[in-house]
Amino acid sequence: AQSVTQLDSHVSVSEGTPVLLRCNYSSSYSPSLFWYVQHPNKGLQLLLKYTSAATLVKGINGFEAEFKKSETSFHLTKPSAHMSDAAEYFCVVSDDGNDYKLSFGAGTTVTVRA
Amino acid sequence: DAGVIQSPRHEVTEMGQEVTLRCKPISGHNSLFWYRQTMMRGLELLIYFNNNVPIDDSGMPEDRFSAKMPNASFSTLKIQPSEPRDSAVYFCASSPRETQYFGPGTRLLVL
Repeated sequence: AQSVTQLDSHVSVSEGTPVLLRCNYSSSYSPSLFWYVQHPNKGLQLLLKYTSAATLVKGINGFEAEFKKSETSFHLTKPSAHMSDAAEYFCVVSDDGNDYKLSFGAGTTVTVRA
Repeated sequence: DAGVIQSPRHEVTEMGQEVTLRCKPISGHNSLFWYRQTMMRGLELLIYFNNNVPIDDSGMPEDRFSAKMPNASFSTLKIQPSEPRDSAVYFCASSPRETQYFGPGTRLLVL
């Protein structure tokens, strides 16, 4: 069975500095991996997805993630944080056998200091 | 595209009352999902429809919960009778294949 571990429950950065959100996964097959963002009192918005094409995936709002099979990681980065990036971020992996079933990480809350 | 539409956005009700949550998926998406989000449990899949047919309802908590999808553009999640422990944010999502697109959610409070 697949699972996702987000290594940090909370990340605090200064505006204009890089953001790194760490995610490790386990999956028996070649997984599909996603990062979603949830702003307060909002729904989940897709940032980016990996589906066995290029290992470096570019998403919206300047975010990107790199799939590293040898490390079973899918870390999310952004070179320069903006105040609007303050939100909760979820790393998600699709089920090994049923691609409609998603396993969500526990989430990482990002705060951005002015 | 308007995205996934959910109504109401907020619902406050009293224990024992019936609650109906509504969802309009993105046009052309053939899969629809209902999720529940709480602080304690995070996001839980309640039920999954494909081409309007319920495929997996193993996440539905108990018989008080029911979901329908009478056509490709509408789905409901009903709780009858509601209980305080049902208080949560309920999300609907739709998908053309593997990527799910979420609605804004319905925040339910059962007193």
